[in-house]
Amino acid sequence: GQNIDQPTEMTATEGAIVQINCTYQTSGFNGLFWYQQHAGEAPTFLSYNVLDGLEEKGRFSSFLSRSKGYSYLLLKELQMKDSASYLCAVRDFNDYKLSFGAGTTVTVRA
Amino acid sequence: DTGVSQDPRHKITKRGQNVTFRCDPISEHNRLYWYRQTLGQGPEFLTYFQNEAQLEKSRLLSDRFSAERPKGSFSTLEIQRTEQGDSAMYLCASSLNGPAGNTIYFGEGSWLTVV
Repeated sequence: GQNIDQPTEMTATEGAIVQINCTYQTSGFNGLFWYQQHAGEAPTFLSYNVLDGLEEKGRFSSFLSRSKGYSYLLLKELQMKDSASYLCAVRDFNDYKLSFGAGTTVTVRA
Repeated sequence: DTGVSQDPRHKITKRGQNVTFRCDPISEHNRLYWYRQTLGQGPEFLTYFQNEAQLEKSRLLSDRFSAERPKGSFSTLEIQRTEQGDSAMYLCASSLNGPAGNTIYFGEGSWLTVV
């Protein structure tokens, strides 16, 4: 199985940048996913990393270091609508399901 | 709308009653997953199907839980003799085996409250 850790809460100001870290331990790594989840809603896919490095998608970027078992999600130019929970999830090799962390609740303040 | 759809969205039931949730995945997706999520936690894996075959079940899935995907399209999750601890959001998701990284897409979820 996996052991996935991410901070419980983060607060930032509108227009600022926030970095959400995720560390994981897995017997065989086959991809890391980030999802956004607004309160009471389903998770929506944000990004996918399987190789080391940075993947950029608009205001959101995700980084992966497989040797360190570490990823981060970078949210730039924060907007109020970015207030949500951000879930880090890992897929094992030869497996199809995702194992999720508990999520990081980001609050954006004006 | 071609996303994952779930029904009902909300269900309140008395302890001891049976409930059934339905999931319609994205039409071309061959893999279907059920997850459960409680407040402040990430989704927990329950089971998954590839086409009509149920390939894995979590130990979280007690004997009171059963899932089916009879024709490899929609799926149902039944909970028998519900308990208050079953109160949660039940999430269905689907994915396609292909080069795009097998991204899993979630439905809106079915909220269950057992009173």
